[in-house]
Amino acid sequence: GDSVTQMEGPVTLSEEAFLTINCTYTATGYPSLFWYVQYPGEGLQLLLKATKADDKGSNKGFEATYRKETTSFHLEKGSVQVSDSAVYFCALSDGPSGGYQKVTFGTGTKLQVIP
Amino acid sequence: EAQVTQNPRYLITVTGKKLTVTCSQNMNHEYMSWYRQDPGLGLRQIYYSMNVEVTDKGDVPEGYKVSRKEKRNFPLILESPSPNQTSLYFCASSLSVYVGQAYEQYFGPGTRLTVT
Repeated sequence: GDSVTQMEGPVTLSEEAFLTINCTYTATGYPSLFWYVQYPGEGLQLLLKATKADDKGSNKGFEATYRKETTSFHLEKGSVQVSDSAVYFCALSDGPSGGYQKVTFGTGTKLQVIP
Repeated sequence: EAQVTQNPRYLITVTGKKLTVTCSQNMNHEYMSWYRQDPGLGLRQIYYSMNVEVTDKGDVPEGYKVSRKEKRNFPLILESPSPNQTSLYFCASSLSVYVGQAYEQYFGPGTRLTVT
């Protein structure tokens, strides 16, 4: 079945450091890819998405590029802030042609940004 | 405001005492789903519903029931809770979930359940 693998956390960075959170996937079809963010005490919310190869999703300074050749969707940000401290989930949606599109989540990567 | 609401937010109960966690969305979404979040395991899907009166099992359905009598509501029922159901539960909704449509899911704030 489909799966999503994320780098282990927690990741601790100083403010203004460069962030990369790795995400790779396996899928039987041609999935759409997502990054969700979960701030402390809240539900998940969509950060960005990409629906086809070489698409770049971006939002709030975060970026991720859909790489079909390496089956990856790594999350990057050039300069993190304390307010970026959260848990980040990589996810994919996939399914048979014309059918239900199941969403599979990774295990999440906790990011802590220190001043 | 577009949102998914869950109640209660926190619940401590004892083994075997039936409970219901409510979920409601105001976005007229067709699709709704329940997940549980456990450390090291991420989010695992319990049940989902494609529309009113249409529900199906997710990856970890044992010990849970759901119903979808109205489009906006999707309650999660634990008929006889056990300690291994202690977890953080999230309800989510989406406009649709058919192939070719990458709609985002909207999540509720979560319900932290402890079963002793």
